[in-house]
Amino acid sequence: NAGVTQTPKFRILKIGQSMTLQCAQDMNHNYMYWYRQDPGMGLKLIYYSVGAGITDKGEVPNGYNVSRSTTEDFPLRLELAAPSQTSVYFCASSYEGGELFFGEGSRLTVL
Amino acid sequence: KNQVEQSPQSLIILEGKNCTLQCNYTVSPFSNLRWYKQDTGRGPVSLTIMTFSENTKSNGRYTATLDADTKQSSLHITASQLSDSASYICVVSAWGTYKYIFGTGTRLKVLA
Repeated sequence: NAGVTQTPKFRILKIGQSMTLQCAQDMNHNYMYWYRQDPGMGLKLIYYSVGAGITDKGEVPNGYNVSRSTTEDFPLRLELAAPSQTSVYFCASSYEGGELFFGEGSRLTVL
Repeated sequence: KNQVEQSPQSLIILEGKNCTLQCNYTVSPFSNLRWYKQDTGRGPVSLTIMTFSENTKSNGRYTATLDADTKQSSLHITASQLSDSASYICVVSAWGTYKYIFGTGTRLKVLA
């Protein structure tokens, strides 16, 4: 059972470039989340989804976009990357707001 | 404002010793509280969940307590091992929401 799978694990971007972080879960969870974790800080919610076709903003959505076309996939799109988006990104999923299962994280550096 | 605060920020102990991590929250209405362990470079993994009616719950050498009146929780680690070196994150859910409120974590280092 793979759980929550994130790709890529590491990426370096130049300022102004765009990219998509992929997230897939195989637990048939309806809720999915994207968080960012900066050094010494708690996880901050970027976007979340309570089901296919439904997404909503979290605390720090600026500079990001998401889509949820299937139950399994929840990609995070970064448009016009900025140094402030250097962070570790975690995708997570849960069933009906229960236990959160996290992916292994994607470490992004914007230079 | 819903908040979760953890203390201490960091802690160093010798292998075999016990330690206690603290979590204070101001989340309303309270649904449940979870403790997660995050190894360096990995995603957080759930250790235990506490609901309103539960005071104590154990998971091996980890024992969590909850005082819903004072809105405090603690995580006690017994007979620490080198593998306990990690960040421990307190996460609180508010009833009727899909969101989780995260503490900033306690970074624990266990030395041989």
